[in-house]
Amino acid sequence: DAGITQSPRYKITETGRQVTLMCHQTWSHSYMFWYRQDLGHGLRLIYYSAAADITDKGEVPDGYVVSRSKTENFPLTLESATRSQTSVYFCASARDGSNTGELFFGEGSRLTVL
Amino acid sequence: QKEVEQNSGPLSVPEGAIASLNCTYSDQGSQSFFWYRQYSGKSPELIMFIYSNGDKEDGRFTAQLNKASQYVSLLIRDSQPSDSATYLCAVNIDYKLSLSFGAGTTVTVRA
Repeated sequence: DAGITQSPRYKITETGRQVTLMCHQTWSHSYMFWYRQDLGHGLRLIYYSAAADITDKGEVPDGYVVSRSKTENFPLTLESATRSQTSVYFCASARDGSNTGELFFGEGSRLTVL
Repeated sequence: QKEVEQNSGPLSVPEGAIASLNCTYSDQGSQSFFWYRQYSGKSPELIMFIYSNGDKEDGRFTAQLNKASQYVSLLIRDSQPSDSATYLCAVNIDYKLSLSFGAGTTVTVRA
């Protein structure tokens, strides 16, 4: 099915563990983004990518790593999870830069770090 | 100062009334303004965008932009229970390649 999908949808892990959240889109959109959403903060940008092999930091990148070897995939890795990284993570894509066009969001990945 | 600020809400309106949501932004160079709707437990979806000063209408939704005052608003006319959601204001910040989002305003429409 066409669209943007995230996995896993729900994840519980322990402090210090490595976690990877997957994001896959079938539109061949150039731009992909990772946001986290926390109560009172809205959506905050973690990393974004303008094309394969091009990534850049957003507002809150510390503790996260991304890669984009293929246009359709944009995984987010928490190298050593901390409790402050408990959040809902949204992947999004856009045909053009998000400042001019629509962002399409995945269903979200709810991560709990114990 | 946050880049994008919204009324924290929650905003409760009776069915059929007008819901008015406000958003201010800090970057005078911003050119693109978006309203996203997010139902509880779901992902955000775009409902309106506006680039020029003035009003833009789409069905029961009207977006209003005043760049001089750095203010953008969303009016929901004839509010329905299905409009109960959190509304996120998003603004492009000139020096970034991404949108900045406000914290959102939660709207509840009472039947």
